[in-house]
Amino acid sequence: DGGITQSPKYLFRKEGQNVTLSCEQNLNHDAMYWYRQDPGQGLRLIYYSQIVNDFQKGDIAEGYSVSREKKESFPLTVTSAQKNPTAFYLCASTIGRVYGTEAFFGQGTRLTVV
Amino acid sequence: GQQLNQSPQSMFIQEGEDVSMNCTSSSIFNTWLWYKQDPGEGPVLLIALYKAGELTSNGRLTAQFGITRKDSFLNISASIPSDVGIYFCAGIGGATNKLIFGTGTLLAVQP
Repeated sequence: DGGITQSPKYLFRKEGQNVTLSCEQNLNHDAMYWYRQDPGQGLRLIYYSQIVNDFQKGDIAEGYSVSREKKESFPLTVTSAQKNPTAFYLCASTIGRVYGTEAFFGQGTRLTVV
Repeated sequence: GQQLNQSPQSMFIQEGEDVSMNCTSSSIFNTWLWYKQDPGEGPVLLIALYKAGELTSNGRLTAQFGITRKDSFLNISASIPSDVGIYFCAGIGGATNKLIFGTGTLLAVQP
């Protein structure tokens, strides 16, 4: 079955450590996105990539980094520079065309700093 | 950051009632999407709209792509307890073809 997979579902990090969240899709989608969701809040865009080896900052990119070496994969690193990293992180992908495109989400990763 | 204006922010209704929510934007979109999110899960796509004026149904859900391409609404008829969750609109378009989300509508249904 085609889909988008995030791992792990739950992640605990000590303060000062970097941590990488995985996002893999087998939908052959060109574009991939990372969002952050805080309790009771909407989705805020961290980074997005519309093609391999290219990505753009979203609205809250500070303290995060990404790479897009393969079409299927868009890992997100939460660095120690992110002051408040505890949140629910969602990855999404779209075909990338202007028309007739849909976005699908992974199940999310809940990151907690301890 | 750029987000769509979604209203209402929350709704508390009785089972069986109809629900309506909408999203507006200052920008034109080429695609409107409506999602439902259950607690601790990723959003699930409910309806996708691709043409201005398009009206699409999915069971008890109906959504429309506004004629101006700057708005969309979602209706849920005869609500049931499992409709509880957060509903998000999303638009794709603009110069960057970025996926942008609404602020969400929290729906609570009392049996």
